[in-house]
Amino acid sequence: TQLLEQSPQFLSIQEGENLTVYCNSSSVFSSLQWYRQEPGEGPVLLVTVVTGGEVKKLKRLTFQFGDARKDSSLHITAAQPGDTGLYLCAGARAAGNKLTFGGGTRVLVKP
Amino acid sequence: NAGVMQNPRHLVRRRGQEARLRCSPMKGHSHVYWYRQLPEEGLKFMVYLQKENIIDESGMPKERFSAEFPKEGPSILRIQQVVRGDSAAYFCASSPRQGPYGGANVLTFGAGSRLTVL
Repeated sequence: TQLLEQSPQFLSIQEGENLTVYCNSSSVFSSLQWYRQEPGEGPVLLVTVVTGGEVKKLKRLTFQFGDARKDSSLHITAAQPGDTGLYLCAGARAAGNKLTFGGGTRVLVKP
Repeated sequence: NAGVMQNPRHLVRRRGQEARLRCSPMKGHSHVYWYRQLPEEGLKFMVYLQKENIIDESGMPKERFSAEFPKEGPSILRIQQVVRGDSAAYFCASSPRQGPYGGANVLTFGAGSRLTVL
């Protein structure tokens, strides 16, 4: 049983379309992070959110942390082929504790 | 400022052999984490170490797996008597003593070591 459930597991869209990836849990997290991983490489941190209701923007990427700090979403506007990759959410239950990862969402943006 | 260095990047072992995976954390980072990733899946936590100390090994299999982070040198994940099910990518990550977000650790990952057991 995944502590963090990501949906969808796979998403294939055309360049220019928008997409949203969800990360849900029944547990409260002190912070939640989003990573992107490309084939043959390690995950690279995109953002960390710590406050319930927090919204962070990183160019065309918008990250939201739920008010109850149990869920998060990642929205990409006008996706580009360079956005292709495995998107992972990861939560920490307490400051300094280990990160628990979701199962990942594989995004394919076709030109 | 080198990132997290893992070696070897690829390792092939026959069933019953030993696998040793090494991880040098980023300069200034004193916390090391090991994760395992199966194809098309997320990362599963294995162990969290500081220098000469295992903090959390709740994700480590009870047998055949061990990890250390000595005072000098890299962290090592050791798998004895490997089986086919051990085939996976093993990622190491490091973090500073105190993260910038209210203490929440921000992990920097290495590129991983891919173990194939024949």
